[in-house]
Amino acid sequence: AQSVTQLDSQVPVFEEAPVELRCNYSSSVSVYLFWYVQYPNQGLQLLLKYLSGSTLVESINGFEAEFNKSQTSFHLRKPSVHISDTAEYFCAVMAQGAQKLVFGQGTRLTINP
Amino acid sequence: DTGVSQNPRHKITKRGQNVTFRCDPISEHNRLYWYRQTLGQGPEFLTYFQNEAQLEKSRLLSDRFSAERPKGSFSTLEIQRTEQGDSAMYLCASSIGNQPQHFGDGTRLSIL
Repeated sequence: AQSVTQLDSQVPVFEEAPVELRCNYSSSVSVYLFWYVQYPNQGLQLLLKYLSGSTLVESINGFEAEFNKSQTSFHLRKPSVHISDTAEYFCAVMAQGAQKLVFGQGTRLTINP
Repeated sequence: DTGVSQNPRHKITKRGQNVTFRCDPISEHNRLYWYRQTLGQGPEFLTYFQNEAQLEKSRLLSDRFSAERPKGSFSTLEIQRTEQGDSAMYLCASSIGNQPQHFGDGTRLSIL
């Protein structure tokens, strides 16, 4: 079975400051890793994914995440946040060969002007 | 790409009533998933279909819950004899091949 721990339930930061949202996972088999973002009263939107290859993956809006197998982590970072980044962020894993996503409890990112 | 569509967006019902939600996946996607999200938590997997076959069900899917995908296109999730604990956001997602799951905006269920 897989599990995901998002170490911070809330992260407040100032606009244009850097941010890191932490994610650790546990699995006895190889996994794929994902970050999803959820805006109020909406479903989840895929932010980025790690399937294989380069351990550093990037999104089109400036976020990046690095897969660290030895530390079983997949932390999400952005060097300079904007007000529009205010949302709930979910880290998720999927065992290779399986179909279901296992989500963490989410991190609420709040950007202050 | 019209996205995953879920109806209704909101459902308010009295305890003990039956409710049914509908999900229309992205048209070419052969896999369809249902998740449940309670307040302040991440989504939890309920079940998934490949075409019309229901291939996996979570232990969360009690016998009061039933999901169908009769023609391998849209899916319905029915909850019978609703309970307070059923109040949640019910999310549908779809995918094809090794592509990531695309989520709909969900149906928010409130039990009075």
